[in-house]
Amino acid sequence: QKEVEQNSGPLSVPEGAIASLNCTYSDRGSQSFFWYRQYSGKSPELIMFIYSNGDKEDGRFTAQLNKASQYVSLLIRDSQPSDSATYLCAVNSGNTPLVFGKGTRLSVIA
Amino acid sequence: GAGVSQSPSNKVTEKGKDVELRCDPISGHTALYWYRQRLGQGLEFLIYFQGNSAPDKSGLPSDRFSAERTGESVSTLTIQRTQQEDSAVYLCASSLLTGGVGYTFGSGTRLTVV
Repeated sequence: QKEVEQNSGPLSVPEGAIASLNCTYSDRGSQSFFWYRQYSGKSPELIMFIYSNGDKEDGRFTAQLNKASQYVSLLIRDSQPSDSATYLCAVNSGNTPLVFGKGTRLSVIA
Repeated sequence: GAGVSQSPSNKVTEKGKDVELRCDPISGHTALYWYRQRLGQGLEFLIYFQGNSAPDKSGLPSDRFSAERTGESVSTLTIQRTQQEDSAVYLCASSLLTGGVGYTFGSGTRLTVV
C-alpha cells in the first residue's frame, strides 16, 4: 500500500516567517511530487511540483526533494495570512493516480 | 471548457436512494479521476480513466459505486443505495496525461445522505 504521510497540524507561524511543511512517502519508486493548497470549502489547487532531488523555487515557495530519505518538503517564505490553508502532498509513480497525504493545516497569524 | 466542471455542486439525498454525479473535464485532457474527501480528511482515490483504456477501479469502496466515461469527455459517478458514510465531497480532476503531471480539480459535489 502506497502511503503519503503528513503532520496534520495545525502549524502556526507569525506573518513574515518561513513556514516549513513536510511529507514522507513509502513507495521508493515514486517519481513525481506535488504540493496542492486547499482553502476551506474549496478544491485543491496545484502550487508546486518537483521531479529531481534538490530544491525548486517559485516565488515565495520552495519545494525540496530527497529521494534517498523519501522526503519532500515545502517552504513558504514571508508567510502571509492569505497562505492559511491546508497543504496536500501528492506522489505519483509512473502512470498511476496521485496518492495524497491527509494534509497539513497552516495558520499564519497576523 | 476552461476548467473542470462538476454538477450538482450540492446534493442531499435520502439513505437508500441512488445518485449520479457529473464531471466535465478540460477539453483535450485524456485522463480523468474521481476522488472522495470526507470532512477533515485527505483525498481518497476512487477511479480513473485514461483515453480508451479500461478504467482503474481499484479505489471504489464497494460495488454500490460505479463510473462511466464517454470517450474523452463527460464522466458520471453513480452511487447506488446510498449510505450515510457516503457523505463527502466528491472531486473530479483531469490531466493531459496520467503520470507525472499535476491535475486540475473541479469544485466538487458535496453529497449529504440523510
